[in-house]
Amino acid sequence: AQSVAQPEDQVNVAEGNPLTVKCTYSVSGNPYLFWYVQYPNRGLQFLLKYITGDNLVKGSYGFEAEFNKSQTSFHLKKPSALVSDSALYFCAVRDRGGYSSASKIIFGSGTRLSIRP
Amino acid sequence: DSGVTQTPKHLITATGQRVTLRCSPRSGDLSVYWYQQSLDQGLQFLIQYYNGEERAKGNILERFSAQQFPDLHSELNLSSLELGDSALYFCASSPGQGMGEQFFGPGTRLTVL
Repeated sequence: AQSVAQPEDQVNVAEGNPLTVKCTYSVSGNPYLFWYVQYPNRGLQFLLKYITGDNLVKGSYGFEAEFNKSQTSFHLKKPSALVSDSALYFCAVRDRGGYSSASKIIFGSGTRLSIRP
Repeated sequence: DSGVTQTPKHLITATGQRVTLRCSPRSGDLSVYWYQQSLDQGLQFLIQYYNGEERAKGNILERFSAQQFPDLHSELNLSSLELGDSALYFCASSPGQGMGEQFFGPGTRLTVL
C-alpha cells in the first residue's frame, strides 16, 4: 500500500542555519513526489516536485529536495533558514499508475517548521 | 492568490444536515481535487475529477459525493453530517491529470454543531 511518513512533528532551527525536513515513502514502482507548504489560515502552496531525472530538485524560496531511491526518501532542505520559512510542510506521493482509478495522492502528516531569530 | 476559489469560507450547521461546498478551478485547469484537513486525520485526499469524470478516489465517505460540471467547477456534497465531519475542506486544481503540481484554494471551514 502507498504511504508517506514525516517522522518529525516539529523541527526547530535557528535563522541562518541549514534545515532539513524528512520524508520517506512507500509505493509500488517509481513515484511522483511533492513538497507543499501551508501558512496559517491558507491553502497549501507547491514548493517542488520530483518526476524523473536529476535526484536533486530545486524549488521555490530557495528550497531543494533530494530523491534517494535506495532509502525511499525525499528530504526537503534549505542551506540557510529564514524566520519567514516558519510554516507547516507536507510531503506527498502519487504512484505512476496515474491512469487507473486506483491512483491517488497521499500526503504525509505534516512537519511544523519553526525558525527562531 | 492561487486562482482557485472556494465558497463559502465558513459554514456552521447542525448534525444530520446536508451542505454543498463549491470550487472554481484556475482558468484552463481540467482537474479538480477535494481534500479534508482535520487535526486528528491530517490532510486526506477525497476525490479527483478530470474534465467532468471521476479520476481517482481516496478516503471519501459514502455520505459524501462530488461532481464536476461542464464549466469545470465542482461541488462537494456532504450529507447526514456528524460532529466528526468538522474540518477544513480544500479544493485544488491542476492542468493535467495529476502528475504535476496542484493549486490549492483557501478552503472552506465546516463546523458541525
